[in-house]
Amino acid sequence: DAEITQSPRHKITETGRQVTLACHQTWNHNNMFWYRQDLGHGLRLIHYSYGVHDTNKGEVSDGYSVSRSNTEDLPLTLESAASSQTSVYFCASSRTSGVQETQYFGPGTRLLVL
Amino acid sequence: QKEVEQDPGPLSVPEGAIVSLNCTYSNSAFQYFMWYRQYSRKGPELLMYTYSSGNKEDGRFTAQVDKSSKYISLFIRDSQPSDSATYLCAMRNTGNQFYFGTGTSLTVIP
Repeated sequence: DAEITQSPRHKITETGRQVTLACHQTWNHNNMFWYRQDLGHGLRLIHYSYGVHDTNKGEVSDGYSVSRSNTEDLPLTLESAASSQTSVYFCASSRTSGVQETQYFGPGTRLLVL
Repeated sequence: QKEVEQDPGPLSVPEGAIVSLNCTYSNSAFQYFMWYRQYSRKGPELLMYTYSSGNKEDGRFTAQVDKSSKYISLFIRDSQPSDSATYLCAMRNTGNQFYFGTGTSLTVIP
């Protein structure tokens, strides 16, 4: 079955370190998204991509970067981790078009920055 | 003002009750409306999808959209303990970006 996976599921790191969170989908979806979820804020968009080599900044992109070298993967990099980036991170994907288009979410990565 | 407003709850109801969850929004360009269910420590999963105004029913769940009032609702009939989760509303315009509510935490007590 097609799916979307994230790794690692849990990560503890120290401030200042570079961290990369992986996202892999097998639906062949063009659109991929990274969100962070924090209490009181809900899901906030970090970065998104509409296709290979396309990346765009979302609402809370400072301190994060992404690159899209193939359809299946959109890794999220924290350049220099800060305690404010402690959160749960969700990757999502969707098709390019269609009235019924919706986003499918991965299981999430819990990140703790000490 | 946030694009989407949702009461975070928490909401606690007895088993068998009818649950009403609501969101309001400010962007009149939103055309597609969704409800996601998120169990603890899991990713959101799509529950209901509605295009434009009207009602949509799926089993015990009914989604309602009132574009004139910029108000959407999710009704759960005969609520079950397994419905205990956080419910997120989401919406989008004709583009590919989604806007989410903060989620309402629901507990159904046996």
